[in-house]
Amino acid sequence: AQKITQTQPGMFVQEKEAVTLDCTYDTSDQSYGLFWYKQPSSGEMIFLIYQGSYDEQNATEGRYSLNFQKARKSANLVISASQLGDSAMYFCAILSGGYQKVTFGTGTKLQVIP
Amino acid sequence: DAEITQSPRHKITETGRQVTLACHQTWNHNNMFWYRQDLGHGLRLIHYSYGVHDTNKGEVSDGYSVSRSNTEDLPLTLESAASSQTSVYFCASRVALNTGELFFGEGSRLTVL
Repeated sequence: AQKITQTQPGMFVQEKEAVTLDCTYDTSDQSYGLFWYKQPSSGEMIFLIYQGSYDEQNATEGRYSLNFQKARKSANLVISASQLGDSAMYFCAILSGGYQKVTFGTGTKLQVIP
Repeated sequence: DAEITQSPRHKITETGRQVTLACHQTWNHNNMFWYRQDLGHGLRLIHYSYGVHDTNKGEVSDGYSVSRSNTEDLPLTLESAASSQTSVYFCASRVALNTGELFFGEGSRLTVL
């Protein structure tokens, strides 16, 4: 079975500071992928970043980077230079089961303080 | 533009009634998913499908069923709605590759009284 654990229900960060959102995963698959999604208060799900289990370099997309530590089974999201618009729920997810199944964590609510 | 749409967006029903939530995507994606979102539980996988005539149970499939008769549609049926099924339901689809992101519908808010 696959499992995603996000241990931070809520976090605060000062505007312009960097913040790390934690994600650990459990899977018996050798090949898998990890996603991060953002859900603002409006409710839509916004794709942020993807990391494949065989990717040697950490994924980056603009201000988002994924700190992938395979041995520790962690896939933390780092947001640099936080903006007020970053206030949202953030979900980590694992793509597994032969790249066919996607399982999400419980999410972290991030609030950016001016 | 290709898209994924859910209907209805909002529905109120009574306990014991059958309810069907529709999901239609125009990307020709093989993979489709249904999730429910509840406070404190994140998104929980109900059912997913690899392709036509394929369906699989997720972690919270009891009381739900799906069928995949074509590539574009994956309707979710609640056979006998219960108050515990009050939730926001999201449909999603993706291309069946190792890097394909999920594209989500806008969600359907279901209230069971």
